[in-house]
This record gives sequence, structure tokens and C-alpha cells, in this order.
Amino acid sequence: GAVVSQHPSWVICKSGTSVKIECRSLDFQATTMFWYRQFPKQSLMLMATSNEGSKATYEQGVEKDKFLINHASLTLSTLTVTSAHPEDSSFYICSARSLGGEETQYFGPGTRLLVL
Amino acid sequence: SQQGEEDPQALSIQEGENATMNCSYKTSINNLQWYRQNSGRGLVHLILIRSNEREKHSGRLRVTLDTSKKSSSLLITASRAADTASYFCAGPKGGSQGNLIFGKGTKLSVKP
Repeated sequence: GAVVSQHPSWVICKSGTSVKIECRSLDFQATTMFWYRQFPKQSLMLMATSNEGSKATYEQGVEKDKFLINHASLTLSTLTVTSAHPEDSSFYICSARSLGGEETQYFGPGTRLLVL
Repeated sequence: SQQGEEDPQALSIQEGENATMNCSYKTSINNLQWYRQNSGRGLVHLILIRSNEREKHSGRLRVTLDTSKKSSSLLITASRAADTASYFCAGPKGGSQGNLIFGKGTKLSVKP
């Protein structure tokens, strides 16, 4: 089956620093990648949709200057949390949809971010 | 806004019993997907059922879809302790392909 990886799996950083999270589709090409965040015991909230070679589409209430998304290739999307604050601490999960446009999304294992 | 709402929010059963989780959604969809999430981990895709399908099977999983009632159910038969996880249904945002909107999930606990 399709495999999506995320790196790092967890990160602790100081308030004010920026953190980059990578999402890679390992065995398929992904025209579209999605970024979600999940608070403890909550559902996944879609943050943005990332299409290869174009600007990301952000959901209402998500600051695009705060959460920078780059989708430079068909196998890699990055999410950078800029000037992180403790309230940005969360579980960030990416997913990818294959080039064939199938409805199924394949999810990465998630990245746990803790901002001190 | 949420596309899916799972019911119940939590379910505790003994190993070997069947577990049924329900999902209701708001707008018309062309497919609905079920995912499993172990604590602190990513999501694992379980099954996708299309709007023109009424029932689908995959191993011990059985999913039904009733588009007239905008509801779906996930049945896990002969449950195992390893089935302990949270289960989410997800539908396309706005009824179209692409973005998935998730419900709050059902936390299933299977006791050995």
C-alpha cells in the first residue's frame, strides 16, 4: 500500500523559533497533500490543501503567514510553523492523494510539536 | 464544519464481541471513508464506500451506507484487543473529491 512518512516524528522547541515538518510520499506521486492538526482527544482539523507547484489553499481561520506550506515536488510537502508559540503545540498530520486522483488519502504517522 | 459525526463517542467491549459504530453526515457525498487511529499515531485507511454502494466488506470489517438517511456504520466482528483505537468517518468537504472533513471519532476499547 501507499506509504507516507513525516519527519520529524516529534519536536520540542523554544517559543519564537520556527519548525519545519516534512511530509513525503514514498512509493507514489502525490499531486495533492493535506495538512491537519489534532488536539488531544479531538478530531483532525484540516489546515490547508497543498497542490504541487502552486500556492496552498488555507482553511478559514488558519494563518498562511504563520503556517507556511511548500509543495515543491510530487513527493514532498513541507509545513513550517513560524515564530512558534505554546498554543501551536499540537499533533500535525499530513496526508497525500495519488496522481491518479483516487479518493483515498494516505496519512503520515504525524509529528508531535511541543513549544515551550 | 464537520462532515461526519460518530456515535457512540466511546465504546467498551470484550474480546470476541462485535463492535458497531455509526456515522451521520450533513451534505451529499460521493464517497465516505473510515479510518483508524491508534493513540498518538497517524491514521490508517480502513475502507471507502461509494455513494452507489450499500455495503462493503473487508476482512472482519463491514461498512454500510444509507444515503437517504445520510448515515454509515462500521461493524467490526470478532473484535480483538488490537482493535483498540479511535475510529473516524470522513467525507469530502462540500460533497466533492479532495478535502476530507472528519468527525470526532469513536474511541473503541476491546478488553482481553
